[in-house]
This record gives sequence, C-alpha cells and structure tokens, in this order.
Amino acid sequence: DVKVTQSSRYLVKRTGEKVFLECVQDMDHENMFWYRQDPGLGLRLIYFSYDVKMKEKGDIPEGYSVSREKKERFSLILESASTNQTSMYLCASRERDRGLGYTFGSGTRLTVV
Amino acid sequence: GNSVTQMEGPVTLSEEAFLTINCTYTATGYPSLFWYVQYPGEGLQLLLKATKADDKGSNKGFEATYRKETTSFHLEKGSVQVSDSAVYFCALNTGGFKTIFGAGTRLFVKA
Repeated sequence: DVKVTQSSRYLVKRTGEKVFLECVQDMDHENMFWYRQDPGLGLRLIYFSYDVKMKEKGDIPEGYSVSREKKERFSLILESASTNQTSMYLCASRERDRGLGYTFGSGTRLTVV
Repeated sequence: GNSVTQMEGPVTLSEEAFLTINCTYTATGYPSLFWYVQYPGEGLQLLLKATKADDKGSNKGFEATYRKETTSFHLEKGSVQVSDSAVYFCALNTGGFKTIFGAGTRLFVKA
C-alpha cells in the first residue's frame, strides 16, 4: 500500500525552538506539499516542491522553510517556533499528472507552548 | 480567482439516510475535481475524482458528477453508515501545482 509517512503524530515544542517536521513518501512522486489545517481556516498551503532541491512558496510561507534533498523526503522547518504556529500540519505528495489527486500523511499535531 | 464553495455543516443524518453534500466551484478552463474525506485525527484521503465534464467519480458507495453547466460537483450516497462520519472536502485543480480546497463539511451519522 502506497504511503506518505509523517515522523510524529504529536509534538510539543517551546517558543523559540527550531522545529523539524519530516515527511517521507514511497511512491516516487515528483511533487510534495506542506499544508496547515486550522479550525475555520481550512487547509492552507505553506510550501511545495516539484523536484529535488526545488521549492516554491505557498500562501503562508512566513516563519517556515523547507528542504528537499532527496526525492522521497520533504522537511518543514519552523525557524523559531511561535504559539501562532500551533496547528495540524499535513504533508501530501502527488504524481506529475495533476488529475490524480494527492496522497496525504496522517498529520502532525504541533503545540507550541 | 479559482474557488470552491461547500455547504456548511454539520450535517446530521440517521443511518441508511440519503446523503447530499453540495459543492460549487469557480474556475477558468477545465479543472479536475476531487472529494477528500478526513476521519477524526487523520489526514485527508482521496475519495473520488473527475477530470472532465459529465464524468462521474465513484468509490465506496459515494458518487459525484462533474456538471460544467452548473459548475457543481455534489457528493451523494444512497445509504450512509455510522462509519461515514467524517469531514468531507471538495477540491479543484486547474492544471497548476496548487489545489484549491473547500472549507469542509462535517457529517455526523447516528445509529
């Protein structure tokens, strides 16, 4: 069964910490995405990557960066965590054909205290 | 710009009732349309999709038909089960990297 795996289901971090969220896919997909999901705001795109070492800003990139050194792995980095980054973070991947839809990971619920 | 509008929830139904969740869209060109489902504490799963007008996507008893004349992609199921309780998201992609998601509709099914 094809899979997108996020390294942690739940994380609690302190304000100011540097936080790494990891995502690995085993489907050889070119495209990978990071979203955050908040009540009343839906899914918002943070960053995406269309190839190794390639990245593009989404709608809310401020306070985040990403890294894609290998095709299967896409990391989201919170440079200095703040309480307003408490959220559910969802990683997704997709083949190059945009008509095929995303495969999502199970999500990481991050709490910044 | 491109957008997706879903009916507001929550929708509460009894088991075996008929389900409709409305979805309309605004988009240039010919988007691909999707329904995703999110069970409690989980990520989203692709439920069904349609890539051109009059296509019908179907999966697990759910169906949706791509209606270009009404710019709609309503989700239907003939007989819901308690296990269908989840949040349902309508989404579109116009060929770029970004997919536009609706706000989601929460469904509760009572036994």
